[in-house]
Amino acid sequence: EAGVAQSPRYKIIEKRQSVAFWCNPISGHATLYWYQQILGQGPKLLIQFQNNGVVDDSQLPKDRFSAERLKGVDSTLKIQPAKLEDSAVYLCASSTLAGAYSGANVLTFGAGSRLTVL
Amino acid sequence: AQSVTQLDSQVPVFEEAPVELRCNYSSSVSVYLFWYVQYPNQGLQLLLKYLSGSTLVESINGFEAEFNKSQTSFHLRKPSVHISDTAEYFCAVSMNTGFQKLVFGTGTRLLVSP
Repeated sequence: EAGVAQSPRYKIIEKRQSVAFWCNPISGHATLYWYQQILGQGPKLLIQFQNNGVVDDSQLPKDRFSAERLKGVDSTLKIQPAKLEDSAVYLCASSTLAGAYSGANVLTFGAGSRLTVL
Repeated sequence: AQSVTQLDSQVPVFEEAPVELRCNYSSSVSVYLFWYVQYPNQGLQLLLKYLSGSTLVESINGFEAEFNKSQTSFHLRKPSVHISDTAEYFCAVSMNTGFQKLVFGTGTRLLVSP
């Protein structure tokens, strides 16, 4: 099966500019996640979708970050305006359901989108 | 809330030597535990997981991890490493009650030299 697709792989922007990342999960995976991985840190969950509904966005900086999954398939994460501290790798992952809100879900990750904010 | 500590940011070893990557977690309830591996320029992929049952879990490429509830640990071991095991290894935990997100540690970079 095809993996989780992400684009672009690399993006360099100036602070205060905007950027968008795209993710296409594995076919049939109902749950989609966006993680932020800052250099030297572990991945941090930004937002989790179940089909096209948001399950958890408690750590998403909503003043500048937005994400959508309109048709319950692919998803876009946007940052506007970007700050220097947003430099990170943005990881998209998807999973089938071990249970509706199960912590036992196994995630399949994409290769990530590396953002550098100058 | 749960948390994960990986004390070693980098572990250098020689090929065919044994290795242990340490992981400790903190949680007030029962947990699920995972090790994910990230090879250079690739996404994270599941290495092994503990959900329930036997406390010793194994991967297909020779790694194993043991869930130790009393020490709140889930250390990853391999008796003989290969060059190809060079990667970043992330321990992760989620609670097994209600809705809980997967929380990752900061990662351990395993560097295997000939």
